[in-house]
Amino acid sequence: DQQVKQNSPSLSVQEGRISILNCDYTNSMFDYFLWYKKYPAEGPTFLISISSIKDKNEDGRFTVFLNKSAKHLSLHIVPSQPGDSAVYFCAASASKTSYDKVIFGPGTSLSVIP
Amino acid sequence: GAVVSQHPSRVICKSGTSVKIECRSLDFQATTMFWYRQFPKKSLMLMATSNEGSKATYEQGVEKDKFLINHASLTLSTLTVTSAHPEDSSFYICSARDLLRGGNTEAFFGQGTRLTVV
Repeated sequence: DQQVKQNSPSLSVQEGRISILNCDYTNSMFDYFLWYKKYPAEGPTFLISISSIKDKNEDGRFTVFLNKSAKHLSLHIVPSQPGDSAVYFCAASASKTSYDKVIFGPGTSLSVIP
Repeated sequence: GAVVSQHPSRVICKSGTSVKIECRSLDFQATTMFWYRQFPKKSLMLMATSNEGSKATYEQGVEKDKFLINHASLTLSTLTVTSAHPEDSSFYICSARDLLRGGNTEAFFGQGTRLTVV
């Protein structure tokens, strides 16, 4: 049972355009959401996060939107750059549960075309 | 940001032998560390939660006798793959959260360990 879903395994975007990566979750206990970027054979790198008390968080070119009622979040990257090409993982945790473990979605491979 | 160091980055071992992977938090105390495994073109699968000074909590389907976890100090957790078999070949990643900072914080990840069992 996948608690965090990323239904698009891959996405191609032209350089300079907006990249929108989507994520859905099923566990209503999740209250903290994170996006990570990962290159092959490396550990994930934290990008941006959002708490369930907010609906938007922005950091430079990266913005995360949260729609709690729909259990949906999205990561917007604008403008997209070739260096953004990587696998992006959506992740979630429930702070009120033990140990605050982070559960990952399956990832979306983003290709930014020059 | 906080740094998590994982060692070794790459290891090849013979079938039947055991391999130990270390995960260290370099600039914060990690009362809890997490071990993940990633199969090719798949997501990060949480294997277990490692707690300092107590037994690890394993996710469903993960053999605790095969994947031994020890969290002896606030900065070190180890994962030992015992009697490794080729199907254990995978990319193993540890992470830690600085829970003493309070509130929600991001998890920091080690560089990962590519295990190949031949």
